Amino acid sequence: EAQVTQNPRYLITVTGKKLTVTCSQNMNHEYMSWYRQDPGLGLRQIYYSMNVEVTDKGDVPEGYKVSRKEKRNFPLILESPSPNQTSLYFCASSPKGRTSGIHEQFFGPGTRLTVL
Amino acid sequence: GESVGLHLPTLSVQEGDNSIINCAYSNSASDYFIWYKQESGKGPQFIIDIRSNMDKRQGQRVTVLLNKTVKHLSLQIAATQPGDSAVYFCAENIQGSNYKLTFGKGTLLTVNP
Repeated sequence: EAQVTQNPRYLITVTGKKLTVTCSQNMNHEYMSWYRQDPGLGLRQIYYSMNVEVTDKGDVPEGYKVSRKEKRNFPLILESPSPNQTSLYFCASSPKGRTSGIHEQFFGPGTRLTVL
Repeated sequence: GESVGLHLPTLSVQEGDNSIINCAYSNSASDYFIWYKQESGKGPQFIIDIRSNMDKRQGQRVTVLLNKTVKHLSLQIAATQPGDSAVYFCAENIQGSNYKLTFGKGTLLTVNP
């Protein structure tokens, strides 16, 4: 089944304790992205990756890191989490069309993170 | 601020009625638009998309209309069913923005039986 998976789905942690949220897609998509979703603010892009070893900042990158060593994986790293990073996080992937450019993004099920 | 916004944060309809969810955008360089549905506890799910060289696109029970003159996008759902109850997001891609999607804040659609 074509899908985007995220782990863990739920996480409660404490301020300053490094954590990683994994994201994996099995659709051979070049493009991957991380979003956070907060009430009243909608989905905001954190980081994105156009291909392996190519990453760039989105709208709210502060406090986050990413890496793209393999095409299928795009982990989100919080080196020193703070309470304002409590949120619902979504990973997404998308193919890149040669002629038609952007296509729809496929989202994972989400990771609910609470930082105490 | 976000260039994609919604006229109504909530919409309540009767089962069987048609639903129309609206979205405004402000960037004339936006060249791709997409509607997502998000059910409680799940990730956004693709519904339909439209490119800026089109005015209308139809899917199964859904139609998206794009009015570039007034920078307005709408999603029409025919014969709305209880399973259509969800939050609906529009998103836009600005040409040259490296595939970035900018999302609106969402409209909560409630279908009453």
